[in-house]
Formats: sequence, structure tokens, C-alpha cells
Amino acid sequence: DTEVTQTPKHLVMGMTNKKSLKCEQHMGHRAMYWYKQKAKKPPELMFVYSYEKLSINESVPSRFSPECPNSSLLNLHLHALQPEDSALYLCASSPDRSYGYTFGSGTRLTVV
Amino acid sequence: GQNIDQPTEMTATEGAIVQINCTYQTSGFNGLFWYQQHAGEAPTFLSYNVLDGLEEKGRFSSFLSRSKGYSYLLLKELQMKDSASYLCAVRSLSGNTPLVFGKGTRLSVIA
Repeated sequence: DTEVTQTPKHLVMGMTNKKSLKCEQHMGHRAMYWYKQKAKKPPELMFVYSYEKLSINESVPSRFSPECPNSSLLNLHLHALQPEDSALYLCASSPDRSYGYTFGSGTRLTVV
Repeated sequence: GQNIDQPTEMTATEGAIVQINCTYQTSGFNGLFWYQQHAGEAPTFLSYNVLDGLEEKGRFSSFLSRSKGYSYLLLKELQMKDSASYLCAVRSLSGNTPLVFGKGTRLSVIA
């Protein structure tokens, strides 16, 4: 298995909703990442997990809450989002932080 | 700090060759990656350079000059499906630092 799987592929949520994005990989990668990407912009780093511990939080608002239940799973919990949070959310993994990434196909999030 | 610069947009003709440049200034350097991203899709890995020189992989080649802080991605025999964004990303010397992405170059291949 050489893939990073993200679910759901599309999500529409209201500003008062709580939802979660999921990411899964079975390549034995020990570093996992959340990126946010707006249209025609490069990916922006949000969080880095290394060996299941949060190692980098790029000053992301608390309405985004990451979780790494085990070495294969990465979640992003969403609560009270704003319309400007609408974007493509990408998960990626790498053997450790010294290697290139494998990206998931992303979740297209729309906040209404 | 880190700064990665690439052209915003390029247009090339089907069957032609195009070169996408990337310059970088980073506090330490430990490799440069090129990714391809079609609209609305995830980036996919194209190439990796850590030593000076040219790496060739089919129709795609990538070049690195560490002394000049410069890389390019060369696409030969362009096809319409090559229309995409191409992202240059740099890894710093510190193994604990994630990749830093440039803003990407949107390539349009025309008939």
C-alpha cells in the first residue's frame, strides 16, 4: 500500500457544525502533516506530527484541532469554522521529516 | 529565513520543451523536490535533487546547482496532460524542518 487516503473527499459544513477530516496511511511513515491550500496558491503547512506527537503547529486557530490516535491515522477536528476556511485540506506522510512526502487526494471543504 | 521563487505562469506548445526555474535562499540546504499538481488534486512527486547535476526520468529532468541556489525542471515532448502547477520545495539541513514550498508555476500547454 503506497497511498495516503483522505476522507471525505468533499465536505460542506455550516459555521456552527463540528466535523472531522480523516487521513490514513499504511506505509509505516512516522511523520504526518496537514496542509491547507487555497485556489492558485501553494500548500500552507498547518501541523506536523512526528512519531505520533505534535511537533509543529504553525499558529493555526484553535477551531482546527489535530489528533494522531496511532501511527497510521491522523484526524483534523473542525469546529466553528469561518467561510474563509474553505479550502483544499491535504494530508501528507513521509518516512520521517527528512524525506519527501506522499500526499493524499485532499478534502475539499466548503464552509457556508 | 527561507525564500523560494518560481515564475507564476508559463505557456508552451504541445510537443515542445519547457524549462521551469526555481531559485531559493534557505538557512541550510538538504534537497530540492519538484511536485506536479493538477487543479483540484493533490501534488504528486516528480523528482528529487540533493547533489549538483541533472536527474533524468523519462520526459522529465531536474537540475540542481547548490552554489547558485538554482534548480530547473525540464519537460520534453509536452503533452496536453502536462498542463498543471509545478511546485518547487526545499528541505533544510535540519531534519526536523518540513518542506518549504514555492508558490508554484502554472503551466498551460496549448495545441
